[in-house]
Amino acid sequence: DQQVKQNSPSLSVQEGRISILNCDYTNSMFDYFLWYKKYPAEGPTFLISISSIKDKNEDGRFTVFLNKSAKHLSLHIVPSQPGDSAVYFCAASALSSGSRLTFGEGTQLTVNP
Amino acid sequence: EAGVAQSPRYKIIEKRQSVAFWCNPISGHATLYWYQQILGQGPKLLIQFQNNGVVDDSQLPKDRFSAERLKGVDSTLKIQPAKLEDSAVYLCASRPVKGGKINSPLHFGNGTRLTVT
Repeated sequence: DQQVKQNSPSLSVQEGRISILNCDYTNSMFDYFLWYKKYPAEGPTFLISISSIKDKNEDGRFTVFLNKSAKHLSLHIVPSQPGDSAVYFCAASALSSGSRLTFGEGTQLTVNP
Repeated sequence: EAGVAQSPRYKIIEKRQSVAFWCNPISGHATLYWYQQILGQGPKLLIQFQNNGVVDDSQLPKDRFSAERLKGVDSTLKIQPAKLEDSAVYLCASRPVKGGKINSPLHFGNGTRLTVT
């Protein structure tokens, strides 16, 4: 039962353009969403989060959008840089389940110079 | 601040052997997690500790996996006996719990890559 799904295993974008990574979830109890970035041979690092009471959160080049009715969130990176090349994981949690994080499968982003 | 420390970085064992992983969380972080990440998949929670007590071990294969967090600081995860399908990266993460707020991001270590042959 995959409650958090990232349907695109990979995404390739030109430097300077926008990268859009998508994530869908099925559990309506999820109320907190996060994006993590992972470089090879390193652990995931926190990037940005959003609470279910908001529909947008912005931090520099990174913006996360949440559409609760569609159970969909997306991460926008603009402008994309070669250093953004990494695997991006979407994660969700519900206070009712002790804030256990459920991760998606990840999307490999490649930003070409 | 120092990050989450894990060792070893890599381990290769044969099936049916035993293996143990060690984790030292960020100082002062009360909550500690062990995740299993199989290649091509996202991390999956194995066990969650709050101080030295188990909060959630519902996804831990208890017939072969065990974990402990003595004294509420360091933690070890053990697999005995290992199977081929246990090949994965084992990630430790920690998180502070301040003022009852538990929706703060997890801090991950670099993981231990286990190969079972």
